Amino acid sequence: DGGITQSPKYLFRKEGQNVTLSCEQNLNHDAMYWYRQDPGQGLRLIYYSQIVNDFQKGDIAEGYSVSREKKESFPLTVTSAQKNPTAFYLCALVTPNTAFFGQGTRLTVV
Amino acid sequence: KQEVTQIPAALSVPEGENLVLNCSFTDSAIYNLQWFRQDPGKGLTSLLLIQSSQREQTSGRLNASLDKSSGRSTLYIAASQPGDSATYLCAVMGNNAGNMLTFGGGTRLMVKP
Repeated sequence: DGGITQSPKYLFRKEGQNVTLSCEQNLNHDAMYWYRQDPGQGLRLIYYSQIVNDFQKGDIAEGYSVSREKKESFPLTVTSAQKNPTAFYLCALVTPNTAFFGQGTRLTVV
Repeated sequence: KQEVTQIPAALSVPEGENLVLNCSFTDSAIYNLQWFRQDPGKGLTSLLLIQSSQREQTSGRLNASLDKSSGRSTLYIAASQPGDSATYLCAVMGNNAGNMLTFGGGTRLMVKP
């Protein structure tokens, strides 16, 4: 199947722990994006990458880190510096004419 | 900085009713505007994309309009069905580099049988 795959669907983080969310695509798109969604709110941009080995901070990058070593993969790490990480995280491919979203990862602090 | 607002935040209608969802944005220098659907706990699905030079787009029972000068878009859903129940989000893409989307907070729609 062509598309964008996020894993895991659910993730639980203990206080002080780093966790990594996976985003993989086989649509051969250059640009990939990570968004955070809080209940009843729209999406806010965390990080984006327009090309391999390059990425830019979005509006709420503090406490998060990313890498883009391969075109197909854009993992997001939620670090212990992110004090309120409980949210729904969405990975996306966006071009001027299309937008594809993964099915999301729900992260909960326990 | 672009701000996108959607009104109402929630809407409940009986099946068969025609309805309108509203989206407003503060900076008219946009490249395009998209309407998305999100089911609970799922990702977003693009419904309609309107380029800045266009006035409207239609897909089946959905019609989206764009008035760039006034910073407004509407999503019209005809003959609503229970399967239309979902959250609808609008997003604008600016003219600057990066293909970044700015989202509204969404309208949660419930269509009652």
